Amino acid sequence: SQQGEEDPQALSIQEGENATMNCSYKTSINNLQWYRQNSGRGLVHLILIRSNEREKHSGRLRVTLDTSKKSSSLLITASRAADTASYFCATVRDPGAGSYQLTFGKGTKLSVIP
Amino acid sequence: EAGVTQFPSHSVIEKGQTVTLRCDPISGHDNLYWYRRVMGKEIKFLLHFVKESKQDESGMPNNRFLAERTGGTYSTLKVQPAELEDSGVYFCASSQVPGGGGYTFGSGTRLTVV
Repeated sequence: SQQGEEDPQALSIQEGENATMNCSYKTSINNLQWYRQNSGRGLVHLILIRSNEREKHSGRLRVTLDTSKKSSSLLITASRAADTASYFCATVRDPGAGSYQLTFGKGTKLSVIP
Repeated sequence: EAGVTQFPSHSVIEKGQTVTLRCDPISGHDNLYWYRRVMGKEIKFLLHFVKESKQDESGMPNNRFLAERTGGTYSTLKVQPAELEDSGVYFCASSQVPGGGGYTFGSGTRLTVV
């Protein structure tokens, strides 16, 4: 089954606006992570939220997690042109399942227009 | 600290040839992972090393793929013989803690099989 499905697939906003991306998943998780990928570059870890946490902040980033709905959201406030990138959520299942692999969604392509 | 380094950054080979990708993790990171993204699909887990041992190789697509991590330092991923569907971007990541913290990814190797 597909895990970590982001919504929307593409988002275009003006600089200074807020950007919200959503992610849904299907299985129980240990934690959920958000990554950014600039064109042609590697994935950069942004923030990790554990299954017993509901909200986490890091600079202009705010992540929420609703385990009852199996969903998470990433909010970027006061966006900048440099935030233009693809954003991926990735889940780690309960280690009791014996695996620490990240399961990624297809990502949201964010364009911030100066 | 130096990041995760992957080599080469790009590789174009003919169907049936062999290609070897290399990953140098962050020094001291026992956990090393391989992922790949084929065109239009999600980033998929391939395998996970803890030091030199394969912890989880459930994502390896078939026996044309061979991963090694001799001495628990750098890792290689060999594709032999390469097929057209192997084209994509191969990412390596490393971490100190398996699953519980953010992963540091390399910039990836873009493999094109023609």
